[in-house]
Amino acid sequence: AQTVTQSQPEMSVQEAETVTLSCTYDTSENNYYLFWYKQPPSRQMILVIRQEAYKQQNATENRFSVNFQKAAKSFSLKISDSQLGDTAMYFCAFKIWGAGGTSYGKLTFGQGTILTVHP
Amino acid sequence: DTEVTQTPKHLVMGMTNKKSLKCEQHMGHRAMYWYKQKAKKPPELMFVYSYEKLSINESVPSRFSPECPNSSLLNLHLHALQPEDSALYLCASRRKGGAYTGELFFGEGSRLTVL
Repeated sequence: AQTVTQSQPEMSVQEAETVTLSCTYDTSENNYYLFWYKQPPSRQMILVIRQEAYKQQNATENRFSVNFQKAAKSFSLKISDSQLGDTAMYFCAFKIWGAGGTSYGKLTFGQGTILTVHP
Repeated sequence: DTEVTQTPKHLVMGMTNKKSLKCEQHMGHRAMYWYKQKAKKPPELMFVYSYEKLSINESVPSRFSPECPNSSLLNLHLHALQPEDSALYLCASRRKGGAYTGELFFGEGSRLTVL
């Protein structure tokens, strides 16, 4: 079974500063995806960034970047130049890559980190 | 069109009522999901449909009955619910095959209150 752990229930940051959200996971699989999802108070879950486990290069999407350490099973999210609109609950999530078997359909979420950006 | 549309946005029902939640996507995705989410908690998987067939049922009580009439539509039929079933119900879809990226696309959710 896969597990995802987010050890920071809540974090806060000043506008324009940088913040890092932590995520660790446990799996015996070698091929998988890791995701960071954002759920603002308006509640729609939105994909922030995706990382394929076979890629060594860390994914980046504008102000969002990840530090993917496969051996350490760590997948942190860095938000640069934080904006008020970044205030949300952030979920780290894991999904096995491939087809076949019921476990391949599942997206496993961490407990989430509530991020508040202060003006 | 990259939307997953859920209706209704809010639903209040008594424990003896029968109601349904509806989810629609027109992205050609062939996997669709129902999740239940309590406040400040991660979504909990309930059901997964793959090519219109139920592929995962996470031991959900029978008072929740999913239905996938076609590749674009997913329903969740509700009957004899309990107050603890009050939650946000999220629908999601995922591409299968082709340019597969693994990500799920979520709707805004249906906020259910059981009295």
